[in-house]
Amino acid sequence: AQKITQTQPGMFVQEKEAVTLDCTYDTSDPSYGLFWYKQPSSGEMIFLIYQGSYDQQNATEGRYSLNFQKARKSANLVISASQLGDSAMYFCAMRSNTGFQKLVFGTGTRLLVSP
Amino acid sequence: DAMVIQNPRYQVTQFGKPVTLSCSQTLNHNVMYWYQQKSSQAPKLLFHYYDKDFNNEADTPDNFQSRRPNTSFCFLDIRSPGLGDAAMYLCATSSRTGVLNTEAFFGQGTRLTVV
Repeated sequence: AQKITQTQPGMFVQEKEAVTLDCTYDTSDPSYGLFWYKQPSSGEMIFLIYQGSYDQQNATEGRYSLNFQKARKSANLVISASQLGDSAMYFCAMRSNTGFQKLVFGTGTRLLVSP
Repeated sequence: DAMVIQNPRYQVTQFGKPVTLSCSQTLNHNVMYWYQQKSSQAPKLLFHYYDKDFNNEADTPDNFQSRRPNTSFCFLDIRSPGLGDAAMYLCATSSRTGVLNTEAFFGQGTRLTVV
């Protein structure tokens, strides 16, 4: 069974600083993908970054980077140079490439960026 | 340019009155998901389709049904909505491409109110 754990219900960061949002996962499948989504108060899910289980390098997308430590089963999201518009819920999710392609979400972390 | 479209954005229904939420996609993705998200919680997978194969989560109430008449459309039917079914309902699609995992694209959601 797949499981995603986000242990930080809320995080605070000052504008322009970097912040790390934690995510650990559990799966017995050798092939899987890890995703981070941002959900502003308007409700839509915005894809941020993806890391495949076989990827050798950590994924980066602009100010977002993923600190992937496969042996520890962690996939932390790093946001550099935080902006006020980064205030939102952030969800870590996992999708296994075997079985039924389920996309399973963690409980989320609410990030608040202050001026 | 919206690729996953959910209608309506807001739906008010009476207690016990059947309601249908719709989702359409222009991406030709073979996987479609329905999630229920209650306030300040993670999206909860209700069911998903891999092509025409329907996969129900074990804890999805029988009150929730789904139809996928073709690749582009998917419907969520709530046969007898209760007050506890008030939530945001998110539709998402993704494509299975061998060992690669691709992101799931989400619609903007339908916010269901039960009165």
